[in-house]
Amino acid sequence: GESVGLHLPTLSVQEGDNSIINCAYSNSASDYFIWYKQESGKGPQFIIDIRSNMDKRQGQRVTVLLNKTVKHLSLQIAATQPGDSAVYFCAEIPPIKAAGNKLTFGGGTRVLVKP
Amino acid sequence: EPEVTQTPSHQVTQMGQEVILRCVPISNHLYFYWYRQILGQKVEFLVSFYNNEISEKSEIFDDQFSVERPDGSNFTLKIRSTKLEDSAMYFCASKGGANYGYTFGSGTRLTVV
Repeated sequence: GESVGLHLPTLSVQEGDNSIINCAYSNSASDYFIWYKQESGKGPQFIIDIRSNMDKRQGQRVTVLLNKTVKHLSLQIAATQPGDSAVYFCAEIPPIKAAGNKLTFGGGTRVLVKP
Repeated sequence: EPEVTQTPSHQVTQMGQEVILRCVPISNHLYFYWYRQILGQKVEFLVSFYNNEISEKSEIFDDQFSVERPDGSNFTLKIRSTKLEDSAMYFCASKGGANYGYTFGSGTRLTVV
């Protein structure tokens, strides 16, 4: 069945260093992927997205890489800051339906930024 | 910036009781969703709602669950007879349409005792 999973449940990183969070997905038909950040007690917050016809997309301090050959997604955070401490989820959306387009979330990676 | 608003932020209920979780999606959005997150676990899809009807639901969304958009602005999730395992954070989300811009609310923490 469909599944989205993460390799590392917890990532501890020094402030100022770069962070890399990985995600594996199993539905090769998924055509849209999103990274979310979730802080304690809050809902998922959109970080960056990428469509399946791209392999890289950059935002402010974040880059998402998509490798469709091995069905792998990663989120890179440059110059990690204390405010980046949170749980990060990847999510996938299967090909477009007439309505719905539910998100399938991965298990999450907790990022801890050390001062 | 437009927000999805959920109330209450925390609800405690006794097992077997009915609860209604409330959400006010972004006003011009067309697609509405409920997700839940059991403590320490991933976010799980419950149901999607479009054009005044359910468009998709998960296995979790059994006969004890129902959704309603009673007045064009609120979007509610009802659990008829709560079970201990219904304890979770429930997130409402909405989406504008052809784009994939989901916006999540801050969630309602439901505790069934």
